Amino acid sequence: DVKVTQSSRYLVKRTGEKVFLECVQDMDHENMFWYRQDPGLGLRLIYFSYDVKMKEKGDIPEGYSVSREKKERFSLILESASTNQTSMYLCASSPSVRGIEQYFGPGTRLTVT
Amino acid sequence: GENVEQHPSTLSVQEGDSAVIKCTYSDSASNYFPWYKQELGKRPQLIIDIRSNVGEKKDQRIAVTLNKTAKHFSLHITETQPEDSAVYFCAATGPSGGYNKLIFGAGTRLAVHP
Repeated sequence: DVKVTQSSRYLVKRTGEKVFLECVQDMDHENMFWYRQDPGLGLRLIYFSYDVKMKEKGDIPEGYSVSREKKERFSLILESASTNQTSMYLCASSPSVRGIEQYFGPGTRLTVT
Repeated sequence: GENVEQHPSTLSVQEGDSAVIKCTYSDSASNYFPWYKQELGKRPQLIIDIRSNVGEKKDQRIAVTLNKTAKHFSLHITETQPEDSAVYFCAATGPSGGYNKLIFGAGTRLAVHP
């Protein structure tokens, strides 16, 4: 049974703080993804990684960076949090095959004040 | 760029009625179309998917149809039950060559009233 976990369910940070969101998967998946979920906008891809230390920008990468030092762990970094980054952040993972299920983590609800 | 449009954004039905959610996609190279269900406070979970080499797939009360020519696909839920209430997302595989990137629709909030 695939397990994707995220470091926090709820997080409150102040404007300008550096924020780290962590995601861990236990299925040896090559691909990992970070999405942002906002009402009426669906799931928007921020960044994804297809291998250790490899990454590509998604549709909304501005204000974010990522790190993947180990295969099982993918971190999303908000360099200087802003109020418009208040959102639900979802991590997902999948094998390195095009056209296959992505498995999601439980999400982190981030509030930036 | 590539996108997936999903309609309606909200859908309200009586228990026992059918519900249909429709999506259109723009990339003719898309070949995999999953549907995810997200219950309140929970993670999205795959409920059914279809590949471009078939036109319809069923799993008990849910079915998905695909029209490649028109570039649209639909989710059909029959005999709806209150536990079907959730947000449903359609998706399509992203740009050709792509690392299993998915492009998601904006979601449909389905409410099933007893």
